[in-house]
Amino acid sequence: DVKVTQSSRYLVKRTGEKVFLECVQDMDHENMFWYRQDPGLGLRLIYFSYDVKMKEKGDIPEGYSVSREKKERFSLILESASTNQTSMYLCASSLVENNEQFFGPGTRLTVL
Amino acid sequence: QKEVEQNSGPLSVPEGAIASLNCTYSDRGSQSFFWYRQYSGKSPELIMFIYSNGDKEDGRFTAQLNKASQYVSLLIRDSQPSDSATYLCAAINFGNEKLTFGTGTRLTIIP
Repeated sequence: DVKVTQSSRYLVKRTGEKVFLECVQDMDHENMFWYRQDPGLGLRLIYFSYDVKMKEKGDIPEGYSVSREKKERFSLILESASTNQTSMYLCASSLVENNEQFFGPGTRLTVL
Repeated sequence: QKEVEQNSGPLSVPEGAIASLNCTYSDRGSQSFFWYRQYSGKSPELIMFIYSNGDKEDGRFTAQLNKASQYVSLLIRDSQPSDSATYLCAAINFGNEKLTFGTGTRLTIIP
């Protein structure tokens, strides 16, 4: 089975802090994705990556950056956390050829 | 207009009946469509995908696609209380490689 893990299930940070969310997948998937999920807004794509050191902006990249130094690991960085970044953050991965995305358990981030 | 639209529900269905979940999409370039199930507090899990017009069956689940009408549906036969969840529809346009999700339909199966 595909396993996607995320570094924390729950995280509380203060406004202005730098926040790192890490995601690791163990199935040698090329594609990795970061979403946030908010009530009434659904899943929104922040960034995605096709390969190591490659990244593409999603629909809402403002206030975020990403890093992919190894194929299995994709990090989401909030350079200066703000209260409107309080959300559920979901990482996913997929193979190039079938686009079936497998999700990690999610990190619920609260910014105070 | 949202690219992928779903009725948010809640949709209530008696146990044992057929649950019908609907989704429309606006991008005619969309080529594959996915249904995810998300239990409260959990992450989405893939149920099935469809890319050809017509029906695709997998156990109690049937996905239906009508590209002319830009319409995708998921039927759940013999609904069980464990089917109570939010169901997310997603579409992909291989030109931009991004999955676009609907906001989901909350389904409740009534025992």
